[in-house]
Amino acid sequence: DIQMTQSPSTLSASVGDRVTITCRASQIIRNWLAWYQQKPGKAPKLLIYDASSLESGVPSRFSGSGSGTEFTLTISSLQPDDFATYYCQHYNSYPWTFGQGTKVEIK
Amino acid sequence: QVQLQESGPGLVKPSGTLSLTCAVSGGSISTSKWWSWVRQSPGKGLEWIAEIYHTGESNYNPSLKSRVTMSVDKSKNQFSLKLSPVTAADTAVYYCARIPGYRGGYRLGYFDSWGQGTLVTVSS
Repeated sequence: DIQMTQSPSTLSASVGDRVTITCRASQIIRNWLAWYQQKPGKAPKLLIYDASSLESGVPSRFSGSGSGTEFTLTISSLQPDDFATYYCQHYNSYPWTFGQGTKVEIK
Repeated sequence: QVQLQESGPGLVKPSGTLSLTCAVSGGSISTSKWWSWVRQSPGKGLEWIAEIYHTGESNYNPSLKSRVTMSVDKSKNQFSLKLSPVTAADTAVYYCARIPGYRGGYRLGYFDSWGQGTLVTVSS
């Protein structure tokens, strides 16, 4: 299985901050990577697919980049609604696997 | 806009069978999409379980393959999951989710719509 490792595990930030989360794959996954946002008690919500494509309806302050084994999710200006946990997920080969998550907390 | 809704028992006895159904509304299950189950437990995070196409073609996570069966009921526009036998390690929130299917000949594997999730506890 391809292992997905996110860093950091927890991130403390303030409204307006630029936030970057990193996801590393244990093997090359080309650009077959998605990012999700999850709030407590809710299902994950798709933000980014194909490493850098923004899902319809997702604010443009979210962006994704990377290819191969290293990827980043950037929030250009953190908003109050963005405090949540973020997960990466690869779909290069079976089984699809997720990162362990990055919790974005209020500083 | 498609909506997915999980249903099934919230409590299953050890060595028993976990059975869940996902009802799809707002669209037909018989499209070029794949339909999947994902679970989330505190110990293992998010874990993809399996997926199925409306033709019945399915793929399973090798770590669970020997215990999992998925099926699709086109007449009811729903799909189902069976996991057996279960242990306490199978306690989790189970989500059904949709995979967009294909783009440019490539098989996609991300989840663009999710159900709200249902907690299944394995306990005697």
